[in-house]
Amino acid sequence: AQSVTQLDSQVPVFEEAPVELRCNYSSSVSVYLFWYVQYPNQGLQLLLKYLSGSTLVKGINGFEAEFNKSQTSFHLRKPSVHISDTAEYFCAVTFKAAGNKLTFGGGTRVLVKP
Amino acid sequence: SQTIHQWPATLVQPVGSPLSLECTVEGTSNPNLYWYRQAAGRGLQLLFYSVGIGQISSEVPQNLSASRPQDRQFILSSKKLLLSDSGFYLCAFGTGKAVGTDTQYFGPGTRLTVL
Repeated sequence: AQSVTQLDSQVPVFEEAPVELRCNYSSSVSVYLFWYVQYPNQGLQLLLKYLSGSTLVKGINGFEAEFNKSQTSFHLRKPSVHISDTAEYFCAVTFKAAGNKLTFGGGTRVLVKP
Repeated sequence: SQTIHQWPATLVQPVGSPLSLECTVEGTSNPNLYWYRQAAGRGLQLLFYSVGIGQISSEVPQNLSASRPQDRQFILSSKKLLLSDSGFYLCAFGTGKAVGTDTQYFGPGTRLTVL
């Protein structure tokens, strides 16, 4: 079965430090890749997406992600975090064979400390 | 611009009572529509999706049902709620028509507590 794995359930990080959230997926077939952020008691907001083209994708709020097909990974990075980046982050993948349905990872909770 | 609304924002219901959650989309026609549930401390589970009026696909057999009476309206229902139905319910829409081309945009969610 197709799956998405976020290796870290929680990531504590100090303000202004860099952060990397890891995401791996199970299949090497054609995929579209997404990162979403969820602030407490809110819906999910799209941070960035990879559909095709350059493997380095830039999103909102200073985030970027790199698609690595050989490693089936799509890690999210930010060079300097703010307190306001405290939230839960979800990696999601559309496996083309599964139509338009998204498969989500389990989420990574980021806690930015002052 | 495209927007998505959900209501109510929060709901507390007794076990055995009925449920109706509503989702509406503005600014686009014939969207793909999705219902997800997010249980406490867990990821998102796709419950239903719809590619058109009256067309509903169920992903997980359960106590819930969905309907799409109008192009941009998606309703999640239950005849009798269970304790296990508690959670955060998210509606999403997408506009991609070719396979695998959907980018999904989420509503603000409904927090359901069944007591």
